[in-house]
Amino acid sequence: AQSVTQLDSHVSVSEGTPVLLRCNYSSSYSPSLFWYVQHPNKGLQLLLKYTSAATLVKGINGFEAEFKKSETSFHLTKPSAHMSDAAEYFCVVRGSGAGTALIFGKGTTLSVSS
Amino acid sequence: NAGVTQTPKFQVLKTGQSMTLQCAQDMNHEYMSWYRQDPGMGLRLIHYSVGAGITDQGEVPNGYNVSRSTTEDFPLRLLSAAPSQTSVYFCASSRQGRAEAFFGQGTRLTVV
Repeated sequence: AQSVTQLDSHVSVSEGTPVLLRCNYSSSYSPSLFWYVQHPNKGLQLLLKYTSAATLVKGINGFEAEFKKSETSFHLTKPSAHMSDAAEYFCVVRGSGAGTALIFGKGTTLSVSS
Repeated sequence: NAGVTQTPKFQVLKTGQSMTLQCAQDMNHEYMSWYRQDPGMGLRLIHYSVGAGITDQGEVPNGYNVSRSTTEDFPLRLLSAAPSQTSVYFCASSRQGRAEAFFGQGTRLTVV
């Protein structure tokens, strides 16, 4: 069985400071991991994905995440927050078998203040 | 390139009414799924399909029905709407295996 836990339901940062959104996963198989972003009243957009290649994954808008198997973590980071980063972020896990579903974390709301 | 198209975008139903949420994708993806999004709950899987003629239940299937007669379409039916089904519904499609999912823009459903 797979699961994902986002450790913070809400993170607040100031513009220009680093962003860290934490995600731990559980998977019986070698998982694929994703981060999605959802701006208010919008659909979901893929930020980045890990599918067993390089453990440091770079995504759009300056975000990156590092897959750490020993810690079962896939934390999302950005060196410098921008006001437009304010949104809800979802960590998602998917197993490697055929027909496996994407399992979502409960989400982290990122607030950015000026 | 349309991607995943959901209709309608908004819907208000009365308790006990039935309706179908439509989902179509033009990427020839085998895997399609329906999620509901509720505050503080993330997205929860309702039903999914790994190909035409094959469907299965997700985490919260009660009160919903699906079928997959073509690769492109995956409608979600609410059999008898209840206020607990007030939610935002997302359809997604992907290739099999490790691929990411592509999402529709969502349907905001209110049951009164």
